Amino acid sequence: EPEVTQTPSHQVTQMGQEVILRCVPISNHLYFYWYRQILGQKVEFLVSFYNNEISEKSEIFDDQFSVERPDGSNFTLKIRSTKLEDSAMYFCARHRGDSGNTIYFGEGSWLTVV
Amino acid sequence: RKEVEQDPGPFNVPEGATVAFNCTYSNSASQSFFWYRQDCRKEPKLLMSVYSSGNEDGRFTAQLNRASQYISLLIRDSKLSDSATYLCAVNMNTGFQKLVFGTGTRLLVSP
Repeated sequence: EPEVTQTPSHQVTQMGQEVILRCVPISNHLYFYWYRQILGQKVEFLVSFYNNEISEKSEIFDDQFSVERPDGSNFTLKIRSTKLEDSAMYFCARHRGDSGNTIYFGEGSWLTVV
Repeated sequence: RKEVEQDPGPFNVPEGATVAFNCTYSNSASQSFFWYRQDCRKEPKLLMSVYSSGNEDGRFTAQLNRASQYISLLIRDSKLSDSATYLCAVNMNTGFQKLVFGTGTRLLVSP
């Protein structure tokens, strides 16, 4: 059973459109992360989110991207004005913040920009 | 030098073989280390955390060498189901888990 569930599992969108990817925690997690993996490349950190605020973001996470937790439960990644190079697998991850320091990934949302 | 570096492979081994992967990291301040397994187009799944004293989980053994800045993964008695890409991940933070991944090492176990 996944630690977080992600929707959609796959989305195809036209260049220039906005996309919202969703992540639903199984239990009451504190730390959330978004990572992405372009096909054939390594997994890359995008952003970390704690207590409803961004705690750290990478150079990739520019103004095109935003994250929020609108209803206190779902955790979303919004990508505005998508580009072809945004095509990738986007993984939500969680970390409980307790004695364990490992993170666990959701099953991913595969985004294809055409 | 890349932050986290792995030999991409593939490593082709027969069932029952022992295979070892290394991963080097550039930042000596790195705090924690992990091996993940990733199947094609799936999410990374945690295989093992890597501790300074080394740790073992069944057929898998992980080692950390801080002086030389590398971690290793040893798989004994390889199974067909071990075929996957093995990702090394390093975290430089003490709190938030900003993992830096290697490109992964592909393992193919054949009958």
